[in-house]
Amino acid sequence: DAGVIQSPRHEVTEMGQEVTLRCKPISGHDYLFWYRQTMMRGLELLIYFNNNVPIDDSGMPEDRFSAKMPNASFSTLKIQPSEPRDSAVYFCASSFAVRGELFFGEGSRLTVL
Amino acid sequence: QKEVEQNSGPLSVPEGAIASLNCTYSDRGSQSFFWYRQYSGKSPELIMSIYSNGDKEDGRFTAQLNKASQYVSLLIRDSQPSDSATYLCAVTGAGSYQLTFGKGTKLSVIP
Repeated sequence: DAGVIQSPRHEVTEMGQEVTLRCKPISGHDYLFWYRQTMMRGLELLIYFNNNVPIDDSGMPEDRFSAKMPNASFSTLKIQPSEPRDSAVYFCASSFAVRGELFFGEGSRLTVL
Repeated sequence: QKEVEQNSGPLSVPEGAIASLNCTYSDRGSQSFFWYRQYSGKSPELIMSIYSNGDKEDGRFTAQLNKASQYVSLLIRDSQPSDSATYLCAVTGAGSYQLTFGKGTKLSVIP
């Protein structure tokens, strides 16, 4: 069974450019989470969805960040404009009947120059 | 603000020894507790979950929970070099499905 699929795996861009990260959750999972991981701050929850509806976006750092989940099998995280401090690994994770048993994708490593 | 605290390590143990990893959390209403393992350059993977006070054993791993002390630990028996990784403690809040992660403890098992 396929796990959580993220793309791109690596993204290098210049400050000010738009970045779109993509995620396909595990089929049948009804929760989807976007996390960001840095050495300094660890894993931080940005936003999560339940049945495609955003439930809590309080972790989104600022208006430059937005996330959508148009259907049960696809979500995007967009950063516009990007800044060097956005450099991190962005993980998407999904779960079913949540008790916190998240399944993570392989992550998207973003470098903003 | 909910906090999950872990010693960053590194924690070094010889092969075959018991590794003990600890975690404290601030939200007294937390209900679910997890340990994830993350190899360098990889994504976190769930290794243990625990929901009630006491011990839970799974193979070489034992999770221990003490809600009164707001403390959760992970013991790894007969540590192997392949256990070398960062171990992340994660906790859900009261009435919430939101997981808060600690920054992790880096474990190094020396052959």
